[in-house]
Parts: sequence; C-alpha cells; structure tokens
Amino acid sequence: DAKTTQPPSMDCAEGRAANLPCNHSTISGNEYVYWYRQIHSQGPQYIIHGLKNNETNEMASLIITEDRKSSTLILPHATLRDTAVYYCIVRLSHSGSARQLTFGSGTQLTVLP
Amino acid sequence: DTAVSQTPKYLVTQMGNDKSIKCEQNLGHDTMYWYKQDSKKFLKIMFSYNNKELIINETVPNRFSPKSPDKAHLNLHINSLELGDSAVYFCASSQDGVRERAFFGQGTRLTVV
Repeated sequence: DAKTTQPPSMDCAEGRAANLPCNHSTISGNEYVYWYRQIHSQGPQYIIHGLKNNETNEMASLIITEDRKSSTLILPHATLRDTAVYYCIVRLSHSGSARQLTFGSGTQLTVLP
Repeated sequence: DTAVSQTPKYLVTQMGNDKSIKCEQNLGHDTMYWYKQDSKKFLKIMFSYNNKELIINETVPNRFSPKSPDKAHLNLHINSLELGDSAVYFCASSQDGVRERAFFGQGTRLTVV
C-alpha cells in the first residue's frame, strides 16, 4: 500500500470548516483513499473513501487532486466532538491478502471553542 | 445493538498469566481483525480471519493466537503475558466489496503488572 504523509496536528475553530491534507504521491491507479478517525479512548471510525472523483457523505467531503497524489478531507462545520486523530490510508479495496488497514501517525485535529 | 463488541473492556493481570479477549460482530461480515495500539498510539494489524481461515499473520509473538469458533467471533488468546503486551487491543470486521469499510470495537485495555 502507498505511504501517506499528514501533518501531526491542526487546530480549527468551532463552526468553521476543517481541511485536513494528505499526501500520497506513490499511489497507484487502483488504490483507494480512505479516511478514518479515532476519538480519544474509542475505536477508529470510518469517515469516507474515494478513488478518483470527489466524494461527499453526511460526515465529510473528500477532495482528490486530478493526479491523485494528494487529497483533502473537509469537515464543513467542525464541532467540539470532531476533535480526534484523523488517519488517511491508501489501499487496494478488498484485495485478497491485504484487507487490513495500515495506519500511520495521523493528524490530531483539535476543535477550539 | 453494538456492531462489534469486545469483552472485557479493561483487563489487569500479572506477568506470566494466560488471558483471552473476546470479540463478536453482528454485521454478517466475513473478515475479522485484531489490532494493537501501543502507548505511542500506533495502530498495528495483528491478525485477520476470513471465512475461518487465517489470511494475515503479522510478526507477532506466537504467544498470541486468534481463535474463531464461527464467522461472527474472533477471540484473542495470549499466553505467558509480558509487560510489553500492555496496550489497547481493537477488534474489527469488514465485508468484501466495492464499498468495503471496517467497523471497530471499543477496545480492550490490557495492563500487565
């Protein structure tokens, strides 16, 4: 799986959009970009994933650059409950022997009141 | 209903003991995983089971053994516990497919004294 690079920490004001960047310059054509988050003392939680096109769901939006070498997770109106470590993961979807998620160090997002 | 449940949530035990952590998923998923999160907060895959077959076995000590009595359960047995085994252990499950995503349990905090 391609390696990802994320800033170790970011702050965001409550109610504002949080934009979390991720670099994955070695991504291959059939690898997806996944985002998970881990709120303190809880298990990781799936947020969103995409291949080429931008994606949006009830939690967030995922913007993938045209060359697919980087992406941005957008939380449109951050709340205090969005404070968590956010993980960007690149992997082949449902690949036979590599279904596991390889977590990096992630970005600690702190939403400030 | 909790999708992925682990028991116990906390486990304190002495060095040298043998212990088990149980995991159950009610999502009908065909793959289950165990992850370890150490004191530095890195999440690492330990095992995954697909249709009762071990498909990934990372470089973990053979004191750790996953046991799956059926598709909905993947228990983790640990023999001769050591101080370095202290960590939070997460169980997860997923279903193969285009929209695959993993669901995690709430974790078991193991403390070896």
